[in-house]
Order: sequence, then structure tokens, then C-alpha cells
Amino acid sequence: DTAVSQTPKYLVTQMGNDKSIKCEQNLGHDTMYWYKQDSKKFLKIMFSYNNKELIINETVPNRFSPKSPDKAHLNLHINSLELGDSAVYFCASSQGQFANEQFFGPGTRLTVL
Amino acid sequence: GNSVTQMEGPVTLSEEAFLTINCTYTATGYPSLFWYVQYPGEGLQLLLKATKADDKGSNKGFEATYRKETTSFHLEKGSVQVSDSAVYFCALNKGSNFGNEKLTFGTGTRLTIIP
Repeated sequence: DTAVSQTPKYLVTQMGNDKSIKCEQNLGHDTMYWYKQDSKKFLKIMFSYNNKELIINETVPNRFSPKSPDKAHLNLHINSLELGDSAVYFCASSQGQFANEQFFGPGTRLTVL
Repeated sequence: GNSVTQMEGPVTLSEEAFLTINCTYTATGYPSLFWYVQYPGEGLQLLLKATKADDKGSNKGFEATYRKETTSFHLEKGSVQVSDSAVYFCALNKGSNFGNEKLTFGTGTRLTIIP
């Protein structure tokens, strides 16, 4: 039973296109996140949502728009894709207090040509 | 702001060698500290954590002790195995509000264990 799942696993697209990545968690957590991992493995948070409300937005270009239809889902839509958007995107979730573990999805590798 | 500095990789060791991966942090107050591991082609998994000074986190033979005086959280294992080959991330969490838990990661250290 997958705890945090993402689709698709791989996404190859042309510059200028619009694409979405979906994330679902079945852990009953109230907080979800999107992270970007670049080619050097550096991980940086992009967004977090708590109970469908945006909490963290880390100076991400407004071409990136997260959407949380309910507590179990956090989707990421990217408009006008650029070469620099190529990366692995990870979804994660946690429950409440700041000491708690975050559970990560398997990642979506986005390649922009 | 908060930051995490960890040992540059890659690190290559022989099986059964002793492992240390250094991690130091900068943060105000009392962050929680974590080590996450990323196996090839997978997402990150929590390896161990410590939430206050002098706490020792341990799991799967790995240990790290929260040292406030040196602002460090070094990862150690006495005898590594080939299956430990992965990328290891040190991280801290300094959220103060409900839903504001933000993990700040180090740059990751790639570990390769050769038989």
C-alpha cells in the first residue's frame, strides 16, 4: 500500500508546454509539500499546504501553481515550461508538529527539451 | 536564516569499514535534526532523528548525536554494507507554527560501498 504516490514517474516535454504532476497520500496527514531536486541532488522546498491552505511559498516563479482539492491531494501545475525546470519533483506529507517525519513520494523526473 | 552544511562527497568505502558523514547546522533556537537516505531511483526515507540536545537517533546500525555546543549531527555506522550505498541528507526543521514545518536540507553525500 503506497503511502505517498506521484504520477507520472517520468515526464518528457517541450519548452513552452503546460504540464501537471499529481500527488496523493493515504496516511491521513494534514500537511503536504512539493520539493525540487536539481541535477546535483540539491533539495529545496517549493510549497507546503496545511488542510488545503497554502502555508509556504518559497519564491517559486508564478508559472508554478499548486492546487490542493482536499487534504489527501496536492497537485503541481507548471505553465510555459523552461529548460531550467528539468529536475526531479518530490511530493511529501507530514502530520502536524514540526518534529514529525515527512514521508516522501518516489519522485517525478521532468525533462524539458 | 537556517542552513545545513554536510560533508562533500562522493564517499567510497570498502564493506565493513567505519563510516562518518559530517553535518553541522546554523539555526536559532532548538531545531529538530534529521538524516534522510535516498536509495537509487527512490524518494527520501527518514533514517533517524533527534529533537533536542544530547539526543541520539539510531536506526539500522546508524547513529547520530545532537550536539548543541558544536551545532553538529554527524552520522556514523560501525560496519557498512553494500546495501548502504545511497545518498544521505542531513536536514533541520525549524517550524514554529502549525503547518509551517520546513525541512532545510544539506547538499547530500553520495556513499558507495564496494565489496
